[in-house]
Amino acid sequence: GENVEQHPSTLSVQEGDSAVIKCTYSDSASNYFPWYKQELGKRPQLIIDIRSNVGEKKDQRIAVTLNKTAKHFSLHITETQPEDSAVYFCAARWGAQKLVFGQGTRLTINP
Amino acid sequence: EPEVTQTPSHQVTQMGQEVILRCVPISNHLYFYWYRQILGQKVEFLVSFYNNEISEKSEIFDDQFSVERPDGSNFTLKIRSTKLEDSAMYFCASILMSDYYEQYFGPGTRLTVT
Repeated sequence: GENVEQHPSTLSVQEGDSAVIKCTYSDSASNYFPWYKQELGKRPQLIIDIRSNVGEKKDQRIAVTLNKTAKHFSLHITETQPEDSAVYFCAARWGAQKLVFGQGTRLTINP
Repeated sequence: EPEVTQTPSHQVTQMGQEVILRCVPISNHLYFYWYRQILGQKVEFLVSFYNNEISEKSEIFDDQFSVERPDGSNFTLKIRSTKLEDSAMYFCASILMSDYYEQYFGPGTRLTVT
């Protein structure tokens, strides 16, 4: 079945440094790759997404890259701030089908 | 901005009891989903629903689970006989149509089975 692997499971960086989280997916038909930020007890919040016809997308300090051949996609956060501390999930989907989530990365920004 | 709503926010029930979790998707959306998240774990797909029928379900979604869209606005998840391992956060989500990408998540219902 479909699977999404996410690494690392925990990541600790100094404030102002960059953070990178990586995911791989198994279903080559996947065409949509969102990233969610989740704070404790809250719903996943979409922070950025990328479609399979695009290799890179940026929104201020957040960027996502997609390598369809290798079935990899990554989240890059630059100039990290304490409010970036949360759990981040990648996911993959084909059409209107279910989202398949990665296992999550707990990001901690140290002041 | 329209939002997906869910009730209740927290439900405590005893093992073996039936629970119904309620969701009101965004009004013109056509595709609906339930996901669950056990504390500290990833979000897992349960079921998708389109055109008044289940379009896909996961292995988790066994005979104890059912979904309904009884009145054109509510979308419910029923667990017939709850188990301790059903304790989790349950999220409802919806999208407008198949070529729209972003799934809009509700705030979740925390289910605690004792």
